[in-house]
This record gives sequence, structure tokens and C-alpha cells, in this order.
Amino acid sequence: QKEVEQNSGPLSVPEGAIASLNCTYSDRVSQSFFWYRQYSGKSPELIMSIYSNGDKEDGRFTAQLNKASQYVSLLIRDSQPSDSATYLCAVNLYSGGSNYKLTFGKGTLLTVNP
Amino acid sequence: DGGITQSPKYLFRKEGQNVTLSCEQNLNHDAMYWYRQDPGQGLRLIYYSQIVNDFQKGDIAEGYSVSREKKESFPLTVTSAQKNPTAFYLCATKGLTYEQYFGPGTRLTVT
Repeated sequence: QKEVEQNSGPLSVPEGAIASLNCTYSDRVSQSFFWYRQYSGKSPELIMSIYSNGDKEDGRFTAQLNKASQYVSLLIRDSQPSDSATYLCAVNLYSGGSNYKLTFGKGTLLTVNP
Repeated sequence: DGGITQSPKYLFRKEGQNVTLSCEQNLNHDAMYWYRQDPGQGLRLIYYSQIVNDFQKGDIAEGYSVSREKKESFPLTVTSAQKNPTAFYLCATKGLTYEQYFGPGTRLTVT
């Protein structure tokens, strides 16, 4: 079964700390990886995409990808209470022929305490 | 104002009734998707369409139907055959890159 796994949390960090969110995936040929933020009662919002091994930074967010270990993470620096949300990891998993399917983890609930 | 719209935001229906959820986009994206989300679960793919007049079943298509007569529109019908229709329904689009973008969602409650 091809899948994407995340710790469900909740992950609780104090304001100003670094929050680290982790995700593993089952398919070695995956090439594209995404992090979505979902506030309670709202739809997911794309915050980061990463395609190559290494780090990608965007403001306070850094995505890290290690294809050999089949691992992708999201770091949030200087965490703010407004970062409190569920973070969904999504991976394009190979589904046969030339097809890939975006597969989501169940999400990690992050709470940032003032 | 560009984006993806879904209507209605909340929908209440009696068991045994069919209901159609609307998804419209003006992003000029070719691909459109329907997902459902249940509490504590990941998003599950219901149907997707990569081009007008063509669509494919996702992982949980039973009890659902779709049409794609226009590039801008991809309505989802939840039929009475769907055993557990109460959920948060999300429409997404994808353009030339790999990123999918979501609409605001429709929360369906069937009693």
C-alpha cells in the first residue's frame, strides 16, 4: 500500500520556538512534495512545494527533502499563535503507467502557545 | 477576482436525496479534483478530470457522479447510494505545474 505518514500530534510549541513537522512516504520514485496548512473549519492552503533534495526556504518556513530516506519535513521558525493549524503533507505517488496521484497524510495538529 | 468557488458553503439534506455540489474556477486550469475529508482522516480522492468531457474515478467513487462539460466547472453529485455522505467536500484544480489548489469547501450534512 503506497502511503504518506505523519505524526498526528498534537505538537505543542511555545511562541518563538521552532516547530518541526515530519513526513515519510512509501514510493522511491516520487518527485514532488507539498505542505498544506489547514485552519480549523477551512480548506487546505498550499504553503510549500519542494522537488529536489535539500532545503527550500520561504520566509519563516523551510522544507527539507531527503529522497534516499523517503523523508520530507517542514520547519517553522519563530512560531506564532497564528501558525496553530493542521499541517498536511502531500506526495505525488506513482500510480502506474505515466500517472502519479497526489496522496495526503492525515495531518499533524500544531499548537503554538503564547 | 481569480480563484476557485464552491457552493453552497453548508448543505443539509435528508437521507435518500441526491445533492449536487458546485465547483467553478477561473484560473484556466485543465485539471480538477474532488476530495472528501472526514474528521481525523486524510483527504480521499473521489473523482478527477484532466480535460473537458473526460473524468476518472478516484479511490472512493462509489455513490458519486460528476460531469465536465466546461473547463470552468466540475460539479459533483452525491447520490442516495453513498452510504456515509456527511463530510467536508473539497474541490481542487491544477495547472501546468504539479501544485493543487483548493476551493473553500462544502460541508454536507445528511440526516
